[in-house]
Amino acid sequence: DGGITQSPKYLFRKEGQNVTLSCEQNLNHDAMYWYRQDPGQGLRLIYYSQIVNDFQKGDIAEGYSVSREKKESFPLTVTSAQKNPTAFYLCASTLRSEYGYTFGSGTRLTVV
Amino acid sequence: KQEVTQIPAALSVPEGENLVLNCSFTDSAIYNLQWFRQDPGKGLTSLLLIQSSQREQTSGRLNASLDKSSGRSTLYIAASQPGDSATYLCPPVRGVGYALNFGKGTSLLVTP
Repeated sequence: DGGITQSPKYLFRKEGQNVTLSCEQNLNHDAMYWYRQDPGQGLRLIYYSQIVNDFQKGDIAEGYSVSREKKESFPLTVTSAQKNPTAFYLCASTLRSEYGYTFGSGTRLTVV
Repeated sequence: KQEVTQIPAALSVPEGENLVLNCSFTDSAIYNLQWFRQDPGKGLTSLLLIQSSQREQTSGRLNASLDKSSGRSTLYIAASQPGDSATYLCPPVRGVGYALNFGKGTSLLVTP
């Protein structure tokens, strides 16, 4: 079945560490997105990519970095510059907006 | 920036009731609107996608309407079941180069 796979499901980060969240899709979608979800708040866009080797910052990109070397993959790195990284992270993709968006099952990141 | 408001914020109903979830948005320049449900700790599951040229879309016990000019969408759930308990989200879609803007959702609890 086609879909988006996010891994790991749970991730723990120590202070000062960089961690990378994986997002892989086999839907042949061109556009991919990373969202952050905090309790009581709506999802907020971190980064998005419309094509391989190109990506743009979203509303809350500070402290995060991404790469898009393959169409199927859009990993998100949470750097030590992100002061409050504890949140639920969701990856999404679409072929074209007219066809709607597909989301992964999420990664919960906790700072310990 | 697109603002999305969902009313009510929370809803508790007994099993079997018909119910309506409301979604309003401020910018009517959209391609379509997608209704999702989110179970606790999970990703987003797509329920219905309404194109801007459509007024309604139906899937089983779910019916969604869209009035783009007034910036409103409603999700009608017939004969609610405990399995419908989730948070419902309704981001309007402007295009692949834009973020999906999310409200805080409607948290639905259907009791047996």
